[in-house]
Amino acid sequence: GQSLEQPSEVTAVEGAIVQINCTYQTSGFYGLSWYQQHDGGAPTFLSYNGLDGLEETGRFSSFLSRSDSYGYLLLQELQMKDSASYFCAVPGNTPLVFGKGTRLSVIA
Amino acid sequence: DVKVTQSSRYLVKRTGEKVFLECVQDMDHENMFWYRQDPGLGLRLIYFSYDVKMKEKGDIPEGYSVSREKKERFSLILESASTNQTSMYLCASSRPGQGRNTEAFFGQGTRLTVV
Repeated sequence: GQSLEQPSEVTAVEGAIVQINCTYQTSGFYGLSWYQQHDGGAPTFLSYNGLDGLEETGRFSSFLSRSDSYGYLLLQELQMKDSASYFCAVPGNTPLVFGKGTRLSVIA
Repeated sequence: DVKVTQSSRYLVKRTGEKVFLECVQDMDHENMFWYRQDPGLGLRLIYFSYDVKMKEKGDIPEGYSVSREKKERFSLILESASTNQTSMYLCASSRPGQGRNTEAFFGQGTRLTVV
């Protein structure tokens, strides 16, 4: 089976940096993805890590350590519009499985 | 612009009714998924399909069935709706295999209320 653990809620100040962690246990691992979902909206793809290390896309970065079964999403220069739920997910030859999501609240 | 379209945004049904939720994708994706989303429980997989006429149970298939007669269409069926099936239902599609191109595309969701 597969399971992913991430914090349920995080609060951060506008302009700050926040890190959302994800630990996983899977029977087959091909990489770690991150999705963003605003209230009332559909999840949308943010990033994918197939190899260890950091992937950067603008203000967002994602990190993976296969040896630690751990990854994180890093959001820099937080903006109010970043308030949303963030899900880590394990794609691959098995159905896409999601963590329960981390609700990020950005405050002024 | 790639698209996954769910037939209804909001739906209200009575207990015991048979309910059909339709999902269509225009990306020629092999994989299609139905998830249910409830507060605090995240996205839970109900059923998925890797090809036409193929279906596999996910984590919570009880009370649901699916149909995939055409590649672009994946239907979720509630045989006899119950109040505990009140939820947000999300359809998604993706390419098979590994890597970045397994990105999943989601529909806007159907908020189903069973009364």
